[in-house]
Formats: sequence, structure tokens, C-alpha cells
Amino acid sequence: KAGVTQTPRYLIKTRGQQVTLSCSPISGHRSVSWYQQTPGQGLQFLFEYFSETQRNKGNFPGRFSGRQFSNSRSEMNVSTLELGDSALYLCASSISGTRTYEQYFGPGTRLTVT
Amino acid sequence: AQRVTQPEKLLSVFKGAPVELKCNYSYSGSPELFWYVQYSRQRLQLLLRHISRESIKGFTADLNKGETSFHLKKPFAQEEDSAMYYCALRGGATNKLIFGTGTLLAVQP
Repeated sequence: KAGVTQTPRYLIKTRGQQVTLSCSPISGHRSVSWYQQTPGQGLQFLFEYFSETQRNKGNFPGRFSGRQFSNSRSEMNVSTLELGDSALYLCASSISGTRTYEQYFGPGTRLTVT
Repeated sequence: AQRVTQPEKLLSVFKGAPVELKCNYSYSGSPELFWYVQYSRQRLQLLLRHISRESIKGFTADLNKGETSFHLKKPFAQEEDSAMYYCALRGGATNKLIFGTGTLLAVQP
């Protein structure tokens, strides 16, 4: 089974621009979660989507948004980029939202904002 | 507030020595606790979860609700155990994970 894939793997953007990151979950997985990883704040939860609905959201400004498509692929968008948005963005997929299923992480997208 | 605390940023031990990575949590309810590991140039992966009560790669972790701890232990460290270890908590019927700041385990030969 192919693992979670994220595209692109690396991205350089300028302050004020917007960016869209993509995550393809493992086949059959319906839950996709996004995390931001930085040296200062560590791993922080952004949001979770399940069956095209946002089920949970972390404490991030409205500039961070996401969506999930009917094939469970997910995208996250960051508008009006700030230098502090430079981070590794990870997505994780799971079969469902129940407690018994493991979450599998992708390799991440490294976003650099200059 | 929901929080996971890993007090050590770096833990350096010699090969064959016992290892204990500390994790304390704060959560009002019955959380699920996990240990994730990230080896160099690899993706984050699940190592252990408390509901499984299993030993993976010689590592064990016991949930102590009285002390709100979930420390990771291994009796004899191997060089291949060198990695970043994250303790994480999940509460409620979602997949939201709250991570600790991580502990870098360095096993010296």
C-alpha cells in the first residue's frame, strides 16, 4: 500500500503571497489531519477533515484554511504569508475517527517564506 | 488545559544502558497516549500506544493515571534507537493529537 504523499515537498514563497499544499491519504483512509512543525513551537495541530467536513480546528488564524475532496485528498491554504509561517507542514491520514485506528504521517512540505 | 510535557530536549546514553524518556500530561478525562518516533530523514511514525500494552523494538510505556505520566523505557539502548521521540495525547472522538516538544535520544557507541 502506498503511504501518505504530500506535494510539493519544498516551497519558497514571498511574504504576502498565498500557498496551497496537497495531501493524498492512504487508499481507504477518510480522515486527514494537518500539523505545523517549527523548531520553536514543535508540532501543532491545524485541522482535521473527515468525509469532506472539518471536524476539528486548532488555534491558528483564519489565514489557514483547508478542504477535503470526495476522494479524501486534502488541501490546505495559507493566505497573506508571514515570515513566521515558515515551517514543515505534515499531514496524517487514518481510516476513521474512532480511537482504534493508527494515524500515518506523510513526509511533509517544507515551506520557506522570505 | 490539554498539555504534554517532555522535560528533556536531549538524552544521551551509552549503548547497553537503560533508557527512560519522560512524558507528563494534563487532560481532564481519559486520554489516549502515544509515543511517536522520527528517525533521521524518515517520516514520523507510531511507536507505541497505551491501549495496546505491547513492547515494540524493546520499548515499553505504562500509563500512570495517578502521576499523569507515560514514560518510555528500554532496558538496553541500541545505536539504532537514536532518533527524536514525541509523546502525544488524543482526547475525544477525533484524531487531533497534542504533541510534546520531543526528546532527542542519542545512543553513543
